[in-house]
Amino acid sequence: DQQVKQNSPSLSVQEGRISILNCDYTNSMFDYFLWYKKYPAEGPTFLISISSIKDKNEDGRFTVFLNKSAKHLSLHIVPSQPGDSAVYFCAASVRGGSEKLVFGKGTKLTVNP
Amino acid sequence: GAVVSQHPSWVICKSGTSVKIECRSLDFQATTMFWYRQFPKQSLMLMATSNEGSKATYEQGVEKDKFLINHASLTLSTLTVTSAHPEDSSFYICSAPTFGNTEAFFGQGTRLTVV
Repeated sequence: DQQVKQNSPSLSVQEGRISILNCDYTNSMFDYFLWYKKYPAEGPTFLISISSIKDKNEDGRFTVFLNKSAKHLSLHIVPSQPGDSAVYFCAASVRGGSEKLVFGKGTKLTVNP
Repeated sequence: GAVVSQHPSWVICKSGTSVKIECRSLDFQATTMFWYRQFPKQSLMLMATSNEGSKATYEQGVEKDKFLINHASLTLSTLTVTSAHPEDSSFYICSAPTFGNTEAFFGQGTRLTVV
């Protein structure tokens, strides 16, 4: 039973356009959500997070939106750059982002020049 | 920022042997560390929570006698894969929360190949 789902295994966008990565969750106890970026054979790198008391958090080119009623969150990257090409993982926690995390399967983003 | 260092980054071992993976917090103390495993094209799955000075807490389905965890100091946790088999081949990653931060920091990961 997968509690965090990323239904798109891959996404391809053109440089300069918007990338939208989606994530759904089933556990209503999750109160903190994070996005990590990962390259092959490396550990995940933290990108951005959002608490369940908010519906939007923005950091530079990255914005995360949370829709609690739909149990859905999304990561927007604007404008997309070729260096953004990586696998993006959505993660959730029931006790804040520094505790144990439940990850989705990831979405491989390719930004074409 | 906080750094978590993991060693080795890759290892190849023969079936039946044991492999030790180290996870160090370089500029902070970590009373808790987490060990994850990732199979190809799968999500990172939590294996266990490593607690300094006490026994690790294992997730359901993870054999504690096979995956030995030791957290002897505030900056070091080790994961030992005992009697490794080819099906243990995977990417193992540790993470550590830091006081005052809202996210955990991850090590570089260890690619284990059992032949």
